[in-house]
Amino acid sequence: DGGITQSPKYLFRKEGQNVTLSCEQNLNHDAMYWYRQDPGQGLRLIYYSQIVNDFQKGDIAEGYSVSREKKESFPLTVTSAQKNPTAFYLCASSRLPENTGELFFGEGSRLTVL
Amino acid sequence: SQKIEQNSEALNIQEGKTATLTCNYTNYSPAYLQWYRQDPGRGPVFLLLIRENEKEKRKERLKVTFDTTLKQSLFHITASQPADSATYLCALGDDKIIFGKGTRLHILP
Repeated sequence: DGGITQSPKYLFRKEGQNVTLSCEQNLNHDAMYWYRQDPGQGLRLIYYSQIVNDFQKGDIAEGYSVSREKKESFPLTVTSAQKNPTAFYLCASSRLPENTGELFFGEGSRLTVL
Repeated sequence: SQKIEQNSEALNIQEGKTATLTCNYTNYSPAYLQWYRQDPGRGPVFLLLIRENEKEKRKERLKVTFDTTLKQSLFHITASQPADSATYLCALGDDKIIFGKGTRLHILP
């Protein structure tokens, strides 16, 4: 079945460690996104990419990094520079906006910093 | 900066009644607006998209309106059911898609 897969579902990290969250899609979508969600809050955009080898910062990019080496993959690295990384991370993909902007989301990765 | 506002207070509606949720935005002229449903611990699920040249869109018991003059969208669920209880998110954007904080809807049996 086509879809978007995030892993791991749960992740624990010690302070000072970098961690990478995986996001893979087999929908042949061009655009991919990373959002962060804190309890009781909406989604805040971290990074997005419209095409391979290109990506743009969202509203809260500091302390995060991404790569887009393949169309189907958009991993997110939470670096030690991110001061408050404990959150629920959501990856999404979509066709290019001129076709439809509908986002397809993964099931999320919950990161806890110990 | 671009801003999306949704009523962040929880909304309690009696089963069978119509639930109406509001999304207001500023400093933006979107080509379209989207609504999503999110259940606890899950990723959001797309419900409806409405374009700037559409005043209203319907899908089963759902109806969305889009007033670009007022910079507002209304989301209606008619004949509401307890299974409709969830958080509903409004989203705007073309390439950079941003979300409101969402409104928690409780349908009371």
